[in-house]
Amino acid sequence: AQSVTQLDSQVPVFEEAPVELRCNYSSSVSVYLFWYVQYPNQGLQLLLKYLSGSTLVKGINGFEAEFNKSQTSFHLRKPSVHISDTAEYFCAVSGAAGRRALTFGSGTRLQVQP
Amino acid sequence: NAGVTQTPKFQVLKTGQSMTLQCAQDMNHNSMYWYRQDPGMGLRLIYYSASEGTTDKGEVPNGYNVSRLNKREFSLRLESAAPSQTSVYFCASSETGPWFARRGENEKLFFGSGTQLSVL
Repeated sequence: AQSVTQLDSQVPVFEEAPVELRCNYSSSVSVYLFWYVQYPNQGLQLLLKYLSGSTLVKGINGFEAEFNKSQTSFHLRKPSVHISDTAEYFCAVSGAAGRRALTFGSGTRLQVQP
Repeated sequence: NAGVTQTPKFQVLKTGQSMTLQCAQDMNHNSMYWYRQDPGMGLRLIYYSASEGTTDKGEVPNGYNVSRLNKREFSLRLESAAPSQTSVYFCASSETGPWFARRGENEKLFFGSGTQLSVL
């Protein structure tokens, strides 16, 4: 079984400040990792994903995430946020082999303030 | 370019009523999914259909049934609604199945905009 823990339910931050949204996972097998973003009244959109290779993954809208196998983490970062980044962010994991549907974390609400 | 379309967007039911949530995708995707989203719990998979003609239970299937009508459409039915089924429901689709056999495959879910369901 696999699980995802997003340590912060809400993260308030001022515009142009850096932000890190934390995600830890547990799995007995190799994993693929994802970050999805949900803007108000919309479905989820893929922000970035880690499948293999470089542990630093760059996504859309200036976000990046780093896969750390030893710490079982996949934290999401952005060096300078905008008001338009206000949304809910979900970390998700799937096993890298066999039958593996996505397991989502509980979400982190990023609130960017002017 | 519609993507994944869900209907209705909002619905209020009384306990015991039945209803069907409709979902259609126009991307020729093989796999479709129904998730529910509850505060503090993220998204939980209810049912999925890896390909036309197949359906399987996800994490929280009790109280729901699904039909993969054809490659485009995947409906979710509540036979006897309960207050515990008050939630936001999302349909999603993907090119490949819930299991991804090849590394580097295009693993991506496309989501609809959701159905907000309240059961009184």
